[in-house]
Amino acid sequence: GQNIDQPTEMTATEGAIVQINCTYQTSGFNGLFWYQQHAGEAPTFLSYNVLDGLEEKGRFSSFLSRSKGYSYLLLKELQMKDSASYLCAVLYDYKLSFGAGTTVTVRA
Amino acid sequence: GAVVSQHPSRVICKSGTSVKIECRSLDFQATTMFWYRQFPKKSLMLMATSNEGSKATYEQGVEKDKFLINHASLTLSTLTVTSAHPEDSSFYICSASTGGRGGYTFGSGTRLTVV
Repeated sequence: GQNIDQPTEMTATEGAIVQINCTYQTSGFNGLFWYQQHAGEAPTFLSYNVLDGLEEKGRFSSFLSRSKGYSYLLLKELQMKDSASYLCAVLYDYKLSFGAGTTVTVRA
Repeated sequence: GAVVSQHPSRVICKSGTSVKIECRSLDFQATTMFWYRQFPKKSLMLMATSNEGSKATYEQGVEKDKFLINHASLTLSTLTVTSAHPEDSSFYICSASTGGRGGYTFGSGTRLTVV
């Protein structure tokens, strides 16, 4: 089975940094994705990690440690529009298994 | 970039009727598409994998006779919710693989309400 855990909610102030952790135990691993989802909308792609280490893309960075079954998404210089749900998803056998998502609320 | 179009975005139907949801890849060919279901404040649950020209592969616990999937061309997959009941009310999302690091592109979702 697939077990993917991430915190339910996080709150941060505009301009701050927030780190969303994701731990996983899956029957296989071909990579890990992070998606952003606003309420009632489809998820949009943020990042993909398949090797250990940090991937940086603008204000968003994602880290992966395969030996620890651990990833995090780092959001810097938070903006109000970053308020959304962030989904961690593990790819195995061409299928994605999603965590329950972390709702991030950015306050002024 | 790759675009997946999903229609309708919202649908309300009466109990006992059937509803068809379409998922199209607009600028690429998708031999495989995926159908998810999402309850409020919950994550996406994979329902089935749709394969062009062959039968869909359903996840454990998903009734294949209730959720009919057809993938007749390389750009179109449909999900039909048959004999819908209020408990089928949910947000349904399709996706297709675009290959490489781009991962999977999602449709805009369909909010189904069964009354």
